[in-house]
Amino acid sequence: QVQLQESGPGLVKPSQTLSLTCTVSGGSISSGSYYWSWIRQPAGKGLEWIGRIYTSGSTNYNPSLKSRVTISVDTSKNQFSLKLSSVTAADTAVYYCARGLYGDYDYGQDYWGQGTLVTVSS
Amino acid sequence: QSVLTQPPSVSGAPGQRVTISCTGSSSNIGAGYDVHWYQQLPGTAPKLLIYGNSNRPSGVPDRFSGSKSGTSASLAITGLQAEDEADYYCQSYDSSLSGWGVFGGGTKLTVL
Repeated sequence: QVQLQESGPGLVKPSQTLSLTCTVSGGSISSGSYYWSWIRQPAGKGLEWIGRIYTSGSTNYNPSLKSRVTISVDTSKNQFSLKLSSVTAADTAVYYCARGLYGDYDYGQDYWGQGTLVTVSS
Repeated sequence: QSVLTQPPSVSGAPGQRVTISCTGSSSNIGAGYDVHWYQQLPGTAPKLLIYGNSNRPSGVPDRFSGSKSGTSASLAITGLQAEDEADYYCQSYDSSLSGWGVFGGGTKLTVL
């Protein structure tokens, strides 16, 4: 059974860089037709897609965040990471990592982490 | 303002049928991108409910069904049950800039 677990600081100061890691267990991050996504959800609000990385290293980012976001993969640790620079209070949210499956078409994000709350405050 | 538009709320009595709409445009749903639906119970991570417009992952009851036509998609829930009370999100991709993922604003389903 695949499991994803987010980890990282729960509190980040304004203007600093938010860094989160998603550890994948129960399967190899580099095998299969998968992509690995980050999604966030401010309290009481809807989901916002941040970006994804394919096992090939190719990435797609939300245009509204693209200038501040970097998603990378560390296959040796079976992890992928999110870095969001120059954060403000508007970046306060629960951050989820998720696995997506693709083939003839996109099969959606079928496994999700439990989410981790990141608060931006001084 | 979400790229995909959903009604903020819908409601229905147990046993009834409800539908949730997801309206996009020619750069996302209308461009041929598939639509996925997620169910989010309070305090939990979203769960994939429908993928590829109308397919159910293993374990999802056949009371849930999805469809897509033109620039819109719909989620239908029949035989409404109390445990269906949750937030529902549609998701697709947009070709306007590098094929990024887009979500609807979410719909709160209340079982009366």
